[in-house]
Amino acid sequence: EAQVTQNPRYLITVTGKKLTVTCSQNMNHEYMSWYRQDPGLGLRQIYYSMNVEVTDKGDVPEGYKVSRKEKRNFPLILESPSPNQTSLYFCASRTSGRGDEQYFGPGTRLTVT
Amino acid sequence: GDSVTQMEGPVTLSEEAFLTINCTYTATGYPSLFWYVQYPGEGLQLLLKATKADDKGSNKGFEATYRKETTSFHLEKGSVQVSDSAVYFCAPLSGSARQLTFGSGTQLTVLP
Repeated sequence: EAQVTQNPRYLITVTGKKLTVTCSQNMNHEYMSWYRQDPGLGLRQIYYSMNVEVTDKGDVPEGYKVSRKEKRNFPLILESPSPNQTSLYFCASRTSGRGDEQYFGPGTRLTVT
Repeated sequence: GDSVTQMEGPVTLSEEAFLTINCTYTATGYPSLFWYVQYPGEGLQLLLKATKADDKGSNKGFEATYRKETTSFHLEKGSVQVSDSAVYFCAPLSGSARQLTFGSGTQLTVLP
């Protein structure tokens, strides 16, 4: 089954404690992205990657890091989380084709206290 | 870059009512256009798409027509059901853009 998986699904942590949210896709997609979703703000892109070792900033990259060492994996790293990073996070992947569907993971609900 | 303006929500309708959610976009060239839907507690999933002018995308009774002259891609459904309650996102993808640009989303609630 074609899918994007994220872990963990729910996470409560404290300010400053480094964390990583994993993302993996099994469709051999070139493009992968991270978004955050906040009430009233819609979906905002954090980082994206067009292929292995190729990453670029999205609209709201501050406070986040990513890496793309393998094609299937695209982890999101919060080196020093802060309460304003409390949000719902989605990983997504797609091919490079302009008309192709983007697949989303189920989301990670992060709370930083 | 690409941008999209979506109808403000929330929208509340009775079952079997007609639905329109407006979407207009700004993009270079001839973008592909997508509608995504997010059901409660889930990630986004593709609802329908259109890749060239005058194309009509359709799925689950929903339709949207690619109108290049008005740069619009309005979502319609003739008779909504309670199960259609969700958040709907419009998203263009132009050749120059590297990623989809999402609208702010429109929350739809359908009452029995």
